[in-house]
Amino acid sequence: DAGVIQSPRHEVTEMGQEVTLRCKPISGHNSLFWYRQTMMRGLELLIYFNNNVPIDDSGMPEDRFSAKMPNASFSTLKIQPSEPRDSAVYFCASKPTGRLQETQYFGPGTRLLVL
Amino acid sequence: AQKVTQAQTEISVVEKEDVTLDCVYETRDTTYYLFWYKQPPSGELVFLIRRNSFDEQNEISGRYSWNFQKSTSSFNFTITASQVVDSAVYFCALSEVGDDKIIFGKGTRLHILP
Repeated sequence: DAGVIQSPRHEVTEMGQEVTLRCKPISGHNSLFWYRQTMMRGLELLIYFNNNVPIDDSGMPEDRFSAKMPNASFSTLKIQPSEPRDSAVYFCASKPTGRLQETQYFGPGTRLLVL
Repeated sequence: AQKVTQAQTEISVVEKEDVTLDCVYETRDTTYYLFWYKQPPSGELVFLIRRNSFDEQNEISGRYSWNFQKSTSSFNFTITASQVVDSAVYFCALSEVGDDKIIFGKGTRLHILP
């Protein structure tokens, strides 16, 4: 079974540019989570979806961030315009909905550097 | 409110020593799940263990063991005979019933010195 797939693995961009991060969850997993990891703030949940519907986006830092899940096998996290403080590792994770005993499985992450 | 505290920010031990990583949690629920994840230098987050609140039995998996004590709201992780490959950041986490979210602690960075 393929795990959670994220692309790109590394992204370097200049301030003001649009950045789009992509995630493919594990097949059959109905919940998808986006996290951001920085040294200062640790691992933060940005947003999560159940059955393609956003459930909790309270962790999204500001309007520059948006996330979509157009179907069960694909999600995007977009930053527009990007700023240097957005530099971080962004993780996507998935798990089956409602089965709380199941853990979240993480993708390899996207390392973003905004210059 | 739910919270996970890992008071040890960074630990260094010499190879073959035993080391315990502490985790204290807060929750109002009586049913919840606790997790440990490992993040090696390569950066991925690797699931290690999940424990539900009704199961207080300690668990051992090779050199890894976990001590869950509801009375002290703790879920500590011990590595026996540590190895250099155990060097990583270890995260403790909590999820409550009815909530798909997992709340992570800040992590403990473990250095195993040769």
